[in-house]
Amino acid sequence: GESVGLHLPTLSVQEGDNSIINCAYSNSASDYFIWYKQESGKGPQFIIDIRSNMDKRQGQRVTVLLNKTVKHLSLQIAATQPGDSAVYFCAENIKGTYKYIFGTGTRLKVLA
Amino acid sequence: DAGITQSPRHKVTETGTPVTLRCHQTENHRYMYWYRQDPGHGLRLIHYSYGVKDTDKGEVSDGYSVSRSKTEDFPLTLESATSSQTSVYFCAIAGLAGPNNEQFFGPGTRLTVL
Repeated sequence: GESVGLHLPTLSVQEGDNSIINCAYSNSASDYFIWYKQESGKGPQFIIDIRSNMDKRQGQRVTVLLNKTVKHLSLQIAATQPGDSAVYFCAENIKGTYKYIFGTGTRLKVLA
Repeated sequence: DAGITQSPRHKVTETGTPVTLRCHQTENHRYMYWYRQDPGHGLRLIHYSYGVKDTDKGEVSDGYSVSRSKTEDFPLTLESATSSQTSVYFCAIAGLAGPNNEQFFGPGTRLTVL
């Protein structure tokens, strides 16, 4: 069943192309950021994280970029596959707190 | 799901009844969280715990209570369920080294209050 917003912004990409998903975070005191993937009916799945002392971090097929000047995060997925279809959202942790703030997400659709 | 289980996975209940959602972890993580997820909103924090017997309120805590008597369990109670509490509930844990670390989620509980 659908567990996330029905009217999320949607990014449609062709299989094999690269995807870029963006996130604007809210608090300039945030110093740790996570990207999550959520498939329908499942819990959010950790993809990659980045700390504020870095601008870029790479994982397997994914790269996260952090621009602190404009409070912007992006997630790049290389060679997008059908299994990448999901909702992606970012989370920020405010320095010195236990709390995380979550974005509402972007739906990624991979076209065959 | 990083050693986190939630139960039940689905529940339908009536307005005014008490409901307890359970979260159990096998990772020995210090920090545990309860969120609700609704269309049009990001995950919203209900309550969190930073250790045994240490809990605090999140942004949407009204109508919910929690307890943490053991590291591995963090139950969420709706004392008297209302239709506005129909939602998907997620439990999450974060690592031993402090809150500024990966936060992992359970599979969720879909609660419907009629």
